[in-house]
Amino acid sequence: SQKIEQNSEALNIQEGKTATLTCNYTNYSPAYLQWYRQDPGRGPVFLLLIRENEKEKRKERLKVTFDTTLKQSLFHITASQPADSATYLCALDDTGGFKTIFGAGTRLFVKA
Amino acid sequence: DAGVIQSPRHEVTEMGQEVTLRCKPISGHDYLFWYRQTMMRGLELLIYFNNNVPIDDSGMPEDRFSAKMPNASFSTLKIQPSEPRDSAVYFCASSQGTSGGYNNEQFFGPGTRLTVL
Repeated sequence: SQKIEQNSEALNIQEGKTATLTCNYTNYSPAYLQWYRQDPGRGPVFLLLIRENEKEKRKERLKVTFDTTLKQSLFHITASQPADSATYLCALDDTGGFKTIFGAGTRLFVKA
Repeated sequence: DAGVIQSPRHEVTEMGQEVTLRCKPISGHDYLFWYRQTMMRGLELLIYFNNNVPIDDSGMPEDRFSAKMPNASFSTLKIQPSEPRDSAVYFCASSQGTSGGYNNEQFFGPGTRLTVL
């Protein structure tokens, strides 16, 4: 069956450290993968998109990797801050088109 | 632009009643998506439109759910009759497709929290 798996347990880290979140998928062949941030009571907000032919993408303190062999994406936040505390969702396309499937998300807590 | 606008923000209704959720996408976006989010099932795609035409409604749970997009600036999601298990947060999102076929980022609205008693 098709699955997208993210760390179900919350991730607690100290301010200034690097947070690493994992997204694994099974029985999908996505052309791209996206990461979104969601705060309580709000809709998801887009952060980064990485395509199947890209290994790594960076945006400010954020870095995403995409390994189509391992069927895994890693999302890193360097020099984390308490304001980075949120739920982070990975999403991929189902058919190479516009149908987007979201993972359940990982809750990140950054302590000051 | 004000972003994606959804109304109402909260809806409480009784089982059996009709519920209509509304969405105004960002101007110029040609894709519109309806999602449902619950603790148990996460964020699920219900249906999406391209240029006002429904493309994939395979996520619509049952015939009680219907969605329309009469024009580029308005869409509705209707549940009739509503049931307690429909209680969830419903999000509308819009995006601008690319010629390369890759989906651009989706812009989500604030959501409608639906409670069916």
